[in-house]
Amino acid sequence: AQSVAQPEDQVNVAEGNPLTVKCTYSVSGNPYLFWYVQYPNRGLQFLLKYITGDNLVKGSYGFEAEFNKSQTSFHLKKPSALVSDSALYFCAVAPGGGNKLTFGTGTQLKVEL
Amino acid sequence: NAGVTQTPKFRILKIGQSMTLQCTQDMNHNYMYWYRQDPGMGLKLIYYSVGAGITDKGEVPNGYNVSRSTTEDFPLRLELAAPSQTSVYFCASSPTQVSYNSPLHFGNGTRLTVT
Repeated sequence: AQSVAQPEDQVNVAEGNPLTVKCTYSVSGNPYLFWYVQYPNRGLQFLLKYITGDNLVKGSYGFEAEFNKSQTSFHLKKPSALVSDSALYFCAVAPGGGNKLTFGTGTQLKVEL
Repeated sequence: NAGVTQTPKFRILKIGQSMTLQCTQDMNHNYMYWYRQDPGMGLKLIYYSVGAGITDKGEVPNGYNVSRSTTEDFPLRLELAAPSQTSVYFCASSPTQVSYNSPLHFGNGTRLTVT
């Protein structure tokens, strides 16, 4: 069975500093990996995905994520955090050829002035 | 385009009551999904559909039913509400299956409380 782990319930970072939100996964075959963001009282919004190719994936709002096959990780990063980045972030995985997306438990990102 | 629309936004049910959560999308997407979100638990897949007339169970289908008579609509039915069904429910859609490079489009959710 596929699974996703987000080891940190909350990440705090100062505005302007780099941020990292961690994600590790377990899946049979090649993974399809996603990051979604959720703002209060809203549905999830797609940020970026890794399907194949370059291990560094760039997405919306200046976010990027690095796929590491040996460590089965897909950490979300941003060089310079903004207060407006404060939200709940979800990592998700689907097996190649599969239809079911499995989500992690989410990481609350708080960016402070 | 409105995207994925869910109604109602909030609902309080008494134990044993029934209700239908509505979901409609105007993007002509074949795939539709129902998730529930509980604090600290992430999202769990309840049911999904790959097209009109076709539905299948997800991880946590017990206590729920779905139907898909049209491409646009994918209602979720709770027959005998229980406190364990207190949650936030999200409907989502995608043009193709997830692994074919197709991110999900989510509605804004329905917050359900069963007391």
